[in-house]
Amino acid sequence: AQSVTQLDSQVPVFEEAPVELRCNYSSSVSVYLFWYVQYPNQGLQLLLKYLSGSTLVKGINGFEAEFNKSQTSFHLRKPSVHISDTAEYFCAVNYGGATNKLIFGTGTLLAVQP
Amino acid sequence: ETGVTQTPRHLVMGMTNKKSLKCEQHLGHNAMYWYKQSAKKPLELMFVYNFKEQTENNSVPSRFSPECPNSSHLFLHLHTLQPEDSALYLCASSRGTSGSIGEQFFGPGTRLTVL
Repeated sequence: AQSVTQLDSQVPVFEEAPVELRCNYSSSVSVYLFWYVQYPNQGLQLLLKYLSGSTLVKGINGFEAEFNKSQTSFHLRKPSVHISDTAEYFCAVNYGGATNKLIFGTGTLLAVQP
Repeated sequence: ETGVTQTPRHLVMGMTNKKSLKCEQHLGHNAMYWYKQSAKKPLELMFVYNFKEQTENNSVPSRFSPECPNSSHLFLHLHTLQPEDSALYLCASSRGTSGSIGEQFFGPGTRLTVL
């Protein structure tokens, strides 16, 4: 079955420290990968996406992610976080098909502390 | 207005009420989606519309009834809901669906509480 796993429900980190949020997906021939961020009382905003090409993808707000096909992972990283990065982060996968359907993980709350 | 808007932002209803959620996209997209977001669960896709035609119904109970009169507007009609239907309902849009791996743009959601 198609699935997306975000093992960490919450990641506490101090301001200016690096962070990695993990995402693994069930293997498939074709996958298209996304990271979304949700700030309190808001909808989801796209951070970055991997459709094809370079496996290292850079997004907004200094975030980047690396597509690793052999490990079926798409981990999100930032070298130095800010208080304003506190939010819920969702990994999502499109396995192709006719409906542009996204399968989401359960989300990781990034809690940045001063 | 820009992007994807949703009204109302908050809704409290009894189990016997009938209400509707509204979504409007100002992006010129052709596909629209309804998602349910419950605490500690992945976002659940409910319905997909492409060029006003429903292309996916993810086994949603009939007490949820979607309507898509045109590519810019999407409604979710609610009746005789259960307390477990309380959640954040998110609307999204994208350029299209068939043959398209496109970014979905999300609205802010409607926080629904069923008493």
